[in-house]
Amino acid sequence: SQQGEEDPQALSIQEGENATMNCSYKTSINNLQWYRQNSGRGLVHLILIRSNEREKHSGRLRVTLDTSKKSSSLLITASRAADTASYFCATASHSQGAQKLVFGQGTRLTINP
Amino acid sequence: KAGVTQTPRYLIKTRGQQVTLSCSPISGHRSVSWYQQTPGQGLQFLFEYFSETQRNKGNFPGRFSGRQFSNSRSEMNVSTLELGDSALYLCASSLVTSGGQETQYFGPGTRLLVL
Repeated sequence: SQQGEEDPQALSIQEGENATMNCSYKTSINNLQWYRQNSGRGLVHLILIRSNEREKHSGRLRVTLDTSKKSSSLLITASRAADTASYFCATASHSQGAQKLVFGQGTRLTINP
Repeated sequence: KAGVTQTPRYLIKTRGQQVTLSCSPISGHRSVSWYQQTPGQGLQFLFEYFSETQRNKGNFPGRFSGRQFSNSRSEMNVSTLELGDSALYLCASSLVTSGGQETQYFGPGTRLLVL
């Protein structure tokens, strides 16, 4: 079963704009991870945020986590055509088994040149 | 370090056959997890192996099985294939620490088509 609900399901923006994707989950977590997938290929890990962290940055990526609302957001600033991909959030918790990731349905992001 | 590798990359089988997929984790990673990705169900956890033992299992029928070898390489097997088993099968490896906050690194996947 899918724990995460991602919003929006699809997002299309112009190159240079910022893209924000949201993820909500249901159970308590140890950490939340964001992944990118290009057109049916493997998943590329973007960032991991622990349950005791509120915000994390990596290059043009900014992730926030609100455990009281059981939600996270991924912001990509100054988007590029190469950012076109599907983005997934995934949660990990001891109750699920530490290595078991539960994925959301993903947001399909399209960057228009 | 080399990334996670999966073989074969593409596979076509017919209903009723069985298939074995292979995954080589990143050197030093002892945990290997398998996921199935389909358009309808999304990414779903199959199972996880650590030190040759299955530690966690998802909600899949017994036709799906796996194993891990002493060098941490893992295989998954699907017997009596059904059309609905057509999917991208992804393997991920991670470095297990006591903190339990490990990143999982995914391979390119094996795309299985069942006819």
